[in-house]
Amino acid sequence: DAGITQSPRHKVTETGTPVTLRCHQTENHRYMYWYRQDPGHGLRLIHYSYGVKDTDKGEVSDGYSVSRSKTEDFLLTLESATSSQTSVYFCAISEERGRLEKLFFGSGTQLSVL
Amino acid sequence: QKEVEQDPGPLSVPEGAIVSLNCTYSNSAFQYFMWYRQYSRKGPELLMYTYSSGNKEDGRFTAQVDKSSKYISLFIRDSQPSDSATYLCAVSRQLTFGSGTQLTVLP
Repeated sequence: DAGITQSPRHKVTETGTPVTLRCHQTENHRYMYWYRQDPGHGLRLIHYSYGVKDTDKGEVSDGYSVSRSKTEDFLLTLESATSSQTSVYFCAISEERGRLEKLFFGSGTQLSVL
Repeated sequence: QKEVEQDPGPLSVPEGAIVSLNCTYSNSAFQYFMWYRQYSRKGPELLMYTYSSGNKEDGRFTAQVDKSSKYISLFIRDSQPSDSATYLCAVSRQLTFGSGTQLTVLP
């Protein structure tokens, strides 16, 4: 998966607990993204980053925060997980944004919030 | 109205069939049109992309864009069981995905 590692691969947690998902890349791509994938909704952008400490909101950012302290790492945090955040989360990277965005995806994290 | 609409299927065809996957989009400003393929329990991977209208062919796959009708198509010739996957169309800029069509090619 193009030098992208997501961890953990699976996570079960309880409502109200904080959860952090990690994405690590070895491609030195500028842009990093967090998507969630749900049946009937496809892939929806949560947050993205255009550089170290530079992030912006996506379509479904409520309840999520992100941080990027190093080029290679992009963290997604659910401050207080809810059942509606049960989903498959994908990290992606790209060299450019705004024109031809060739995204490379990780293998995903299956998150269940009980 | 969603910016990109895609029939979710599922679509099941016999091996060797020609497959047609389609999407419609609403914003005429989109310039790049992409198809991603996603195998079960994997992340999507870029299959093909086209710029503006016209056709692009890559082996058994042909991507077609009709900007006048805002219609995107992916054709798969001589389909194989290994083509069984979910296919997602996407439009750019500010990449927006369709919901995906699940395809099964039966041997």
